[in-house]
Amino acid sequence: GAVVSQHPSWVICKSGTSVKIECRSLDFQATTMFWYRQFPKQSLMLMATSNEGSKATYEQGVEKDKFLINHASLTLSTLTVTSAHPEDSSFYICSALRGNTIYFGEGSWLTVV
Amino acid sequence: DQQVKQNSPSLSVQEGRISILNCDYTNSMFDYFLWYKKYPAEGPTFLISISSIKDKNEDGRFTVFLNKSAKHLSLHIVPSQPGDSAVYFCAAIIGGSNYKLTFGKGTLLTVNP
Repeated sequence: GAVVSQHPSWVICKSGTSVKIECRSLDFQATTMFWYRQFPKQSLMLMATSNEGSKATYEQGVEKDKFLINHASLTLSTLTVTSAHPEDSSFYICSALRGNTIYFGEGSWLTVV
Repeated sequence: DQQVKQNSPSLSVQEGRISILNCDYTNSMFDYFLWYKKYPAEGPTFLISISSIKDKNEDGRFTVFLNKSAKHLSLHIVPSQPGDSAVYFCAAIIGGSNYKLTFGKGTLLTVNP
């Protein structure tokens, strides 16, 4: 069964609005979660590392004020895309570390119109 | 600089035969390797992993081989089934406190009935 759950699977929002994506670890506590983005026909690109109770660590080139990450509990991390633009349309995937293995959520398709 | 490379963007195999997916890496600090399978519009699914202290790990139809001196690993699927058709990503981790995955670009495997 699923180890990491992501919600929503699909979301459409208007340009200029904000949208939140949730990532939950099921049946285990995840002190570390990761957020990725994937453009069509490209590999997964790590955006940030989300640490429970502290600030996220962003990869170079990722705007932390645009992609807000909150890891308020040991089972939930959220990614909020603020003031979304059409170029933010993408497939966003979260993952959580369990033991030595990283498990991924189902992914969330964001379309900004 | 791509630290994990999957040089074959696609591979086509007949059902029942062996599928061999290859992956090369450049960073000798990587000490844990994982293979993920991904269908379109879904998150990656963990398949199998191997620690750098081993040279082989087997799980059912899936076997991963690691050649540290060559900085090369491969995933063998035998026998291949049509349901195995997907994109396969090789990923690597530098262990310890840093669990950021570095992904290859993926190989599209097509298993023909």
